[in-house]
Amino acid sequence: DQQVKQNSPSLSVQEGRISILNCDYTNSMFDYFLWYKKYPAEGPTFLISISSIKDKNEDGRFTVFLNKSAKHLSLHIVPSQPGDSAVYFCAAIGDSNYKLTFGKGTLLTVNP
Amino acid sequence: NAGVMQNPRHLVRRRGQEARLRCSPMKGHSHVYWYRQLPEEGLKFMVYLQKENIIDESGMPKERFSAEFPKEGPSILRIQQVVRGDSAAYFCASSLQGVSYNEQFFGPGTRLTVL
Repeated sequence: DQQVKQNSPSLSVQEGRISILNCDYTNSMFDYFLWYKKYPAEGPTFLISISSIKDKNEDGRFTVFLNKSAKHLSLHIVPSQPGDSAVYFCAAIGDSNYKLTFGKGTLLTVNP
Repeated sequence: NAGVMQNPRHLVRRRGQEARLRCSPMKGHSHVYWYRQLPEEGLKFMVYLQKENIIDESGMPKERFSAEFPKEGPSILRIQQVVRGDSAAYFCASSLQGVSYNEQFFGPGTRLTVL
């Protein structure tokens, strides 16, 4: 059972435009959400997070939005840069405070 | 200021052999987590260890898999009698404290291929 779902395996965006990556979850116990970025042959790197008591968190070009009623979150990257090309994983934490549950990832390609 | 180190980066084993994956956490970190990524899947939690203790092994397969984090040396994930379905990327993460949320730092992974 996939508790964290990223339904778009890939996304292609032009440099300078906005990238929007989506994530849905089913477990109501999740109360903290994270986005990780992963380059080939490397481990995931933490990007940005949001607590369930918030609906938006911003860090530079990256903004995460959380819609608890829809059990949906999204990552906005603006403006997108070629260096942003990577796999982006959505992850969630629930009743434990350490066990990350990951989605399958979305491959973002930013074209120059 | 080395990050989380894993070795080997690539490991090839034949069915029935043993695989040993090593993880050295970041300096000062005493909490280690192992995750497995099967092809076309997200990372899945396997086990959480502190020095000399297994805290949560709820994600570990019941047979053939074991993990340890001794007082001295790296954490070891051991897979006995490997099968083709064990082929995956195995990632280790470490944290300074147990309440970690975004503070889990991941290593580059070990890619295990079972022939």
